[in-house]
Amino acid sequence: QTVVTQEPSFSVSPGGTVTLTCGLSSGSVSTTYYPTWYQQTPGQAPRTLIYSTNTRSSGVPDRFSGSILGNKAALTITGAQADDESDYYCVLHMGSGISVFGGGTKLTVL
Amino acid sequence: QVQLQESGPGLVKPSETLSLTCTVSGYSISSGYYWGWIRQPPGKGLEWIGSIYHSGSAYYNPSLKSRVTISVDTSKNQFSLKLSSVTAADTAVYYCAEDSSGYYYFDYWGQGTLVTVSS
Repeated sequence: QTVVTQEPSFSVSPGGTVTLTCGLSSGSVSTTYYPTWYQQTPGQAPRTLIYSTNTRSSGVPDRFSGSILGNKAALTITGAQADDESDYYCVLHMGSGISVFGGGTKLTVL
Repeated sequence: QVQLQESGPGLVKPSETLSLTCTVSGYSISSGYYWGWIRQPPGKGLEWIGSIYHSGSAYYNPSLKSRVTISVDTSKNQFSLKLSSVTAADTAVYYCAEDSSGYYYFDYWGQGTLVTVSS
């Protein structure tokens, strides 16, 4: 069964830059998986940050960007702010119609 | 303004069937691309349950496939989830969501509803 991998946790200093990644247990992530990144704060529904690898959702600040880095999808936050402290989830859309979420990354800003 | 709202029992007994409905307002569901259900056990990550496309084709998480049915009722602007033979492991916040763009992501989400499986 396909497993989508993410760093369990990451920390960044205010104003700093951090890159979270999204990989596959077997194989490489490409644009054909339509990588999507969601941000979730406690008690809230997820909010879309990035879809189709690198397209920012409406209203998302440009400090958030998506890309493919090597064999993984990546979410980069440039100039991190305190309210970026959240859980971040990537999801890949498999060609078979199935979607698979990564385990999520808990980002701490301190 | 598009809104999605989950409804259904908050408590289900083990071995019974969990049934939830998602009502869409502010938007004709017939214009959507696909609709899905996602769940999140307390303190854990998100898990995709399944999606159904405008064409009627449905796809399910392989680990849940034998127990899940997702359907759409365009006349009521609703879509539904049924999960049979539930156990305590199915206790979670259940979200409904919609992809209105066709880019394989959920751009609209419900607020989520907690379903507890317990006798």
